[in-house]
Amino acid sequence: GESVGLHLPTLSVQEGDNSIINCAYSNSASDYFIWYKQESGKGPQFIIDIRSNMDKRQGQRVTVLLNKTVKHLSLQIAATQPGDSAVYFCAAPSGAAGNKLTFGGGTRVLVKP
Amino acid sequence: DAGVIQSPRHEVTEMGQEVTLRCKPISGHNSLFWYRQTMMRGLELLIYFNNNVPIDDSGMPEDRFSAKMPNASFSTLKIQPSEPRDSAVYFCASSTMGGTEAFFGQGTRLTVV
Repeated sequence: GESVGLHLPTLSVQEGDNSIINCAYSNSASDYFIWYKQESGKGPQFIIDIRSNMDKRQGQRVTVLLNKTVKHLSLQIAATQPGDSAVYFCAAPSGAAGNKLTFGGGTRVLVKP
Repeated sequence: DAGVIQSPRHEVTEMGQEVTLRCKPISGHNSLFWYRQTMMRGLELLIYFNNNVPIDDSGMPEDRFSAKMPNASFSTLKIQPSEPRDSAVYFCASSTMGGTEAFFGQGTRLTVV
């Protein structure tokens, strides 16, 4: 029979353009938030994190914005390259020890040459 | 360091058989996580250990699943008996307890027929 899978939002981006990936979270108590990148056939790879007392953090070609008022997190990738094609996950910690990492559903980014 | 090492990379087994997945975390990391990734459910945390002690196993699907961490450099995830619905990619990740970055292995793709 037909299978129903997790529908990943997909962002198609022209090479060289900027990408913006969004994430909503529910746990206001998280001390930090993280973005991961997963390429086909590989495990998720850490990109950047942001502490909950910050609203912006920049890395190499990436910027993460945190809006605690509306519980929203975004990842901006500048000058998107073919190597940026992947699934991007936001994640947040919880649990008594504060390191139980829960992942969002993911967004697929497709970079068009 | 070679990163988190998982074995085997691929496993095909018949329904009812026992399956054991193995993980070697990064040396010095004291937190270890087992995740399962499927199209239906995305990336789910099954269980995690701090200092070799299981902290939260609420994500373990049922009694057929068990995980052990006999020492700081080795963990196993066992499924007995395996069922077709257990087919997924299983990831192991490790981190320092105070760190925000979890390092993932390449995963084990399990197919139960």
